[in-house]
Amino acid sequence: DSGVTQTPKHLITATGQRVTLRCSPRSGDLSVYWYQQSLDQGLQFLIQYYNGEERAKGNILERFSAQQFPDLHSELNLSSLELGDSALYFCASSPRPTSILSGNTIYFGEGSWLTVV
Amino acid sequence: GQNIDQPTEMTATEGAIVQINCTYQTSGFNGLFWYQQHAGEAPTFLSYNVLDGLEEKGRFSSFLSRSKGYSYLLLKELQMKDSASYLCAVHGYYVRGSSNTGKLIFGQGTTLQVKP
Repeated sequence: DSGVTQTPKHLITATGQRVTLRCSPRSGDLSVYWYQQSLDQGLQFLIQYYNGEERAKGNILERFSAQQFPDLHSELNLSSLELGDSALYFCASSPRPTSILSGNTIYFGEGSWLTVV
Repeated sequence: GQNIDQPTEMTATEGAIVQINCTYQTSGFNGLFWYQQHAGEAPTFLSYNVLDGLEEKGRFSSFLSRSKGYSYLLLKELQMKDSASYLCAVHGYYVRGSSNTGKLIFGQGTTLQVKP
């Protein structure tokens, strides 16, 4: 158990709908990362937050948005869902953004399986 | 931007040694990670290199050459349970105010099959 909690574990929804995926980082971790992994694909970086602020942005679609709350949990909102959005969405956390000085480990949650039908 | 290359698939025999290579290009470097991922499961941390050289952890070792943009993961005494995908990830250097920096980008992964 990495200590990163993601809910829901599985979700099936229809095209055009909106869903929210939730992530609770490990206790004390300030950084949260979101990744998308489609079938047989690599991990695609979506977005990173640090202590409530957006830190880095990847190829996140405009239909997707995320935020990190004062209690450090994070939510990924996916709207106007399409079949191609079906994927495993991972959240990861670390104490602080990695740096040459800190050399952190980044731990992943178990992921949220999203199926769009 | 960041670009990471690693072989798609490798096969090795139980008890043997295998080396998985990773080459990367990045505008700023803040460390390289290796993760193991079994299908449908979360990636699990194996190693982190930020300085040149070899880091050893039991059966697994990871090497980094920053000047060459090159790393490898060495797995010794292979076991059947080592069959998995191995992901190389590079953390870019963060520039305050620029959301296009500081990303942790993963390669496509190398699927390792260990045969008896």
